[in-house]
Amino acid sequence: DGGITQSPKYLFRKEGQNVTLSCEQNLNHDAMYWYRQDPGQGLRLIYYSQIVNDFQKGDIAEGYSVSREKKESFPLTVTSAQKNPTAFYLCASSFKEGPQHFGDGTRLSIL
Amino acid sequence: GENVEQHPSTLSVQEGDSAVIKCTYSDSASNYFPWYKQELGKRPQLIIDIRSNVGEKKDQRIAVTLNKTAKHFSLHITETQPEDSAVYFCAVLTYSGGYNKLIFGAGTRLAVHP
Repeated sequence: DGGITQSPKYLFRKEGQNVTLSCEQNLNHDAMYWYRQDPGQGLRLIYYSQIVNDFQKGDIAEGYSVSREKKESFPLTVTSAQKNPTAFYLCASSFKEGPQHFGDGTRLSIL
Repeated sequence: GENVEQHPSTLSVQEGDSAVIKCTYSDSASNYFPWYKQELGKRPQLIIDIRSNVGEKKDQRIAVTLNKTAKHFSLHITETQPEDSAVYFCAVLTYSGGYNKLIFGAGTRLAVHP
């Protein structure tokens, strides 16, 4: 959706390095989400946030961290503790009980 | 917690045929059920959704039916075309500890052959 911007589109991580994926939305959505998708697989929830300065762990939060300092922004950091970070990362946003709309994703690979 | 099962995992049809994908869920309090289409390498896109106060919703060749008693809902695509080939995900909105989140099915890979 045009209102959700993820950057970069492609990202390479060196061993032991933390990297941060950006997600910005201008849809005035309250809630934001991060998902991981491995090839040929479904969507797994990493973290989600329903209001500023509050976020919850999803099903696979280990090795990841987030912040929600502004309503429009929900960056995801993939830490060196995540030993298998290669995946397609999708950010989404929604109103409290509305449909989620996704960004175009970031492909993360290990160098 | 909520559990969403989606079937079949793969579906192959001839162009012009209908395709049906079914999802079952466990939480009877769930009341919102969207369907997403994901083309290869792209983001999931919402194609249709339904709330629990209706039993069916249609949008051109796509329809969704909901059976709240049996806790299942289905996506129906009629007159399939090659461009319908994609992975389709169902989802269920669930509430836990004051937070809502979508629980996704594992996906159905639909192939429409000319």
